[in-house]
Amino acid sequence: KAGVTQTPRYLIKTRGQQVTLSCSPISGHRSVSWYQQTPGQGLQFLFEYFSETQRNKGNFPGRFSGRQFSNSRSEMNVSTLELGDSALYLCASSLGAGVGNEQFFGPGTRLTVL
Amino acid sequence: AQSVTQPDIHITVSEGASLELRCNYSYGATPYLFWYVQSPGQGLQLLLKYFSGDTLVQGIKGFEAEFKRSQSSFNLRKPSVHWSDAAEYFCAVGAGGSYIPTFGRGTSLIVHP
Repeated sequence: KAGVTQTPRYLIKTRGQQVTLSCSPISGHRSVSWYQQTPGQGLQFLFEYFSETQRNKGNFPGRFSGRQFSNSRSEMNVSTLELGDSALYLCASSLGAGVGNEQFFGPGTRLTVL
Repeated sequence: AQSVTQPDIHITVSEGASLELRCNYSYGATPYLFWYVQSPGQGLQLLLKYFSGDTLVQGIKGFEAEFKRSQSSFNLRKPSVHWSDAAEYFCAVGAGGSYIPTFGRGTSLIVHP
């Protein structure tokens, strides 16, 4: 069974631009979560989607948004990019929502903002 | 609010030696606890988790962890480290119901031959 895939793997943008990252979960998984990983802040939860509905959201500004499609694929969007948005963005999928479900992580998208 | 502390930023061990990575958490009720490993250029992989029951949890790759409520700790152990265990290790705590996990800052494990 294929794992979680994230595209693109690497991305370079300039301040003020916007970016869209994509995540394809493991087949059959209906929950997708997004995380931001930086050397300064570590791993931080962005949001969780289940059956196209956002269930939880971390403490990030409104410039960070996401959505989930009927096939469970998910995208996250960051508008008006700032230098501090440079990070590894990780996507994780699970069969169901909630803490009792094991999350499987993708390799991440490395975003660099210049 | 829940929090997780991993006191050791780096740990260096010799191959074949035993390993213990420390994790302390802060949470009012019984937490859900996790250990993940991240190899360079890869995402996180779940090593083991504790929800309830037996406080000694066995995981993959020969790892185990022990939940000690009195010490608010969930330390990860391995009796004999292999060079391939060199990676970043993260402890995480999640609350029941909705899942908003909090991760520790990570411990980087270096294995000397």
